[in-house]
Amino acid sequence: LAKTTQPISMDSYEGQEVNITCSHNNIATNDYITWYQQFPSQGPRFIIQGYKTKVTNEVASLFIPADRKSSTLSLPRVSLSDTAVYYCLVGGRNTGFQKLVFGTGTRLLVSP
Amino acid sequence: NAGVTQTPKFQVLKTGQSMTLQCAQDMNHEYMSWYRQDPGMGLRLIHYSVGAGITDQGEVPNGYNVSRSTTEDFPLRLLSAAPSQTSVYFCASSPAQGSRDTEAFFGQGTRLTVV
Repeated sequence: LAKTTQPISMDSYEGQEVNITCSHNNIATNDYITWYQQFPSQGPRFIIQGYKTKVTNEVASLFIPADRKSSTLSLPRVSLSDTAVYYCLVGGRNTGFQKLVFGTGTRLLVSP
Repeated sequence: NAGVTQTPKFQVLKTGQSMTLQCAQDMNHEYMSWYRQDPGMGLRLIHYSVGAGITDQGEVPNGYNVSRSTTEDFPLRLLSAAPSQTSVYFCASSPAQGSRDTEAFFGQGTRLTVV
């Protein structure tokens, strides 16, 4: 499975836009890029998934350049409740969601 | 619709004891997995199953057994608990490849302490 690299931590303030970039140089042709969010003492929760270009849902946007070697999760106008750990994963449809590979994630702290 | 349910939520074991962590899902998902998460770390895959009667090892399988007799249930057994197994355990389920759904659903976790 393709390995991912993302910043260990990020700080932001309420109302700002937060962009978390993930590097996945060895992504395979059939791999998808998926982001999960995890609050303390809870299981991870699916945020968004994409294959190429841009995907947007009610929570976030995912930007994927043409070479797909990186991706950026964009959280618009964050609030205190967005403080969490965000995981970037590569794989899924090709390798199976039964064995997702998590890295250490990015710890986002949103302050007032 | 309960999703993925794990029991118990908390457990303290003595070294050498055995126990079973329960996981049940009501979404008729083919795939189920067990992960452990140590403090400040990401999730590591222990075992997974692609359907009833089929299981396989993940990244850190030693000291754990699984079985999948039904689609709904995927229990994780600790054979002889060790302090190194102190962790938070998460169960997840997901639909099979090719399904229109693309996400994995996680339970709330079981916090296990081995003393």
